[in-house]
Amino acid sequence: LAKTTQPISMDSYEGQEVNITCSHNNIATNDYITWYQQFPSQGPRFIIQGYKTKVTNEVASLFIPADRKSSTLSLPRVSLSDTAVYYCLVGDWTSGTYKYIFGTGTRLKVLA
Amino acid sequence: NAGVTQTPKFQVLKTGQSMTLQCAQDMNHEYMSWYRQDPGMGLRLIHYSVGAGITDQGEVPNGYNVSRSTTEDFPLRLLSAAPSQTSVYFCASSSPRGNTGELFFGEGSRLTVL
Repeated sequence: LAKTTQPISMDSYEGQEVNITCSHNNIATNDYITWYQQFPSQGPRFIIQGYKTKVTNEVASLFIPADRKSSTLSLPRVSLSDTAVYYCLVGDWTSGTYKYIFGTGTRLKVLA
Repeated sequence: NAGVTQTPKFQVLKTGQSMTLQCAQDMNHEYMSWYRQDPGMGLRLIHYSVGAGITDQGEVPNGYNVSRSTTEDFPLRLLSAAPSQTSVYFCASSSPRGNTGELFFGEGSRLTVL
């Protein structure tokens, strides 16, 4: 399975930069890497997506090395409201068609 | 556009009852899928579809059936509800390019089986 591996949990303090790394060793050549944020009782919400190098939007940056076997989500200056579970997602092509299987995600807790 | 619409939002069933969770999207997405999320856990793929008339099993398909007669709709049927199926169910669809991984989620359907 092209499953992803992330740290189970992380703690950070308000105002710090948080980096969450995801391993996806079997990523397909044409597949993108997508990160989601999920709050309790809500569906996952799209944060950022990239294919290679660096992508930045108004809430996060995504760093992808040349071999694309991992990616790092960077959240600048986190606040209490960033406490959530973060998932990275890549496609799974092992059955001949693509599907999306989530890993365990990283539970980020931001402390005051 | 409404995006991905799930109904009902809440449902209580008795063991052995059957029901259908509805999912509809108006974005002309080829890919649709159902996930379940147990308390404090991650999302697990139940069934998915890459287009009308095509469905396939995910990680935890037992006890569930799906069909995809139209591009817009992807209902999930619980054949004989069990307490182990108490969970929050999310429907998600993906853009026509398919492999970009940008999934659009519904608000979820919270199911309790007594």
